[in-house]
Amino acid sequence: GAVVSQHPSRVICKSGTSVKIECRSLDFQATTMFWYRQFPKQSLMLMATSNEGSKATYEQGVEKDKFLINHASLTLSTLTVTSAHPEDSSFYICSATTTAEGQFFGPGTRLTVL
Amino acid sequence: AQSVTQPDIHITVSEGASLELRCNYSYGATPYLFWYVQSPGQGLQLLLKYFSGDTLVQGIKGFEAEFKRSQSSFNLRKPSVHWSDAAEYFCAVGGSGGGADGLTFGKGTHLIIQP
Repeated sequence: GAVVSQHPSRVICKSGTSVKIECRSLDFQATTMFWYRQFPKQSLMLMATSNEGSKATYEQGVEKDKFLINHASLTLSTLTVTSAHPEDSSFYICSATTTAEGQFFGPGTRLTVL
Repeated sequence: AQSVTQPDIHITVSEGASLELRCNYSYGATPYLFWYVQSPGQGLQLLLKYFSGDTLVQGIKGFEAEFKRSQSSFNLRKPSVHWSDAAEYFCAVGGSGGGADGLTFGKGTHLIIQP
């Protein structure tokens, strides 16, 4: 089946630093990838839609200058949390789509900002 | 705006008993509906999806779901649960892109299995 990986799985950083999270589709090409955020014991909230070779589309209320998304190839999208603060601590999950089959989700990245 | 409601935050079921998890959606057009399962510390695994056609959808691990347009529901069922089914279950709705649009998730139902 379609496999999506994320790296790192867990990251702890100091307030004010930037953190990059990678999302890769391992055995398929994904023209579209999505980034979600999940707070503890809550649902996933869509942050942005990332299309290969074009600018990401952000959901209302998501700061595009804070959450930089790059989709450089058909198998890789990155999310950079710039100048991270404790309120950015969350579980970040990416997904990739094969269009016909729907979305396949990565295992998530736990970000803790001290 | 689209939305998904999972009215049950927690459900406790005895092992071997049947299960039904409720999901109601709000969407302006024909919805694309999904059920995902998330185990602690894990990503989401797709159980089943409905795009069109037969309203009773079979998924993995013995799960099925029925799309009822008149009730705006997409309830998940399993005839006999196993201890390994204990997890968080999310219902989600997507747009008309054949699954290529961002999904709107419900808040999830936490399933507890009693021995």
